Amino acid sequence: TQLLEQSPQFLSIQEGENLTVYCNSSSVFSSLQWYRQEPGEGPVLLVTVVTGGEVKKLKRLTFQFGDARKDSSLHITAAQPGDTGLYLCAVSNTGKLIFGQGTTLQVKP
Amino acid sequence: EPEVTQTPSHQVTQMGQEVILRCVPISNHLYFYWYRQILGQKVEFLVSFYNNEISEKSEIFDDQFSVERPDGSNFTLKIRSTKLEDSAMYFCASSDRSRSSGNTIYFGEGSWLTVV
Repeated sequence: TQLLEQSPQFLSIQEGENLTVYCNSSSVFSSLQWYRQEPGEGPVLLVTVVTGGEVKKLKRLTFQFGDARKDSSLHITAAQPGDTGLYLCAVSNTGKLIFGQGTTLQVKP
Repeated sequence: EPEVTQTPSHQVTQMGQEVILRCVPISNHLYFYWYRQILGQKVEFLVSFYNNEISEKSEIFDDQFSVERPDGSNFTLKIRSTKLEDSAMYFCASSDRSRSSGNTIYFGEGSWLTVV
């Protein structure tokens, strides 16, 4: 079983649509991170959420950490083709990162 | 902005050959990592390194793998005798593990290894 389950695995939408992707676990975490990875490149940190119920905004991206600190969501408003990529959630365990399998997002113009 | 740099960006090697992947972590960071990502699969932890020794390693990191910090700036991953299944993107990462950074781990752009 995966420590972090991300859903959906794939998402293909039209430019301008809104979307939400999820990262779920049965474990409680002290913090959770969201990364974006483009093909042939390394993951790039988008945000770290630490407090249960916390909401962080990064332009059109809104990140939420669940009250119980077991899950998180990423909402993108008015998606653009430049948002296309693999979105990964990750948690720190003894200093190392454990990643979810990611959500592949394709935004069509 | 400081960044983790990796070389080579792409290497093709014959099965059984030794490969060394090089990384220059962010200069004030003390914790170093190697991860790998097989094509189409998730990013997997290989090893973490602190104070000139391995602090943790995964099941993937068997006797064929080794890491070294030969000087004050480089951090290397060596695969002694490559196998076809070692073909993957290898990411180096570093962190300062400070509270202020939220234990942010910064990744390099990766070294794509193809074993033929």
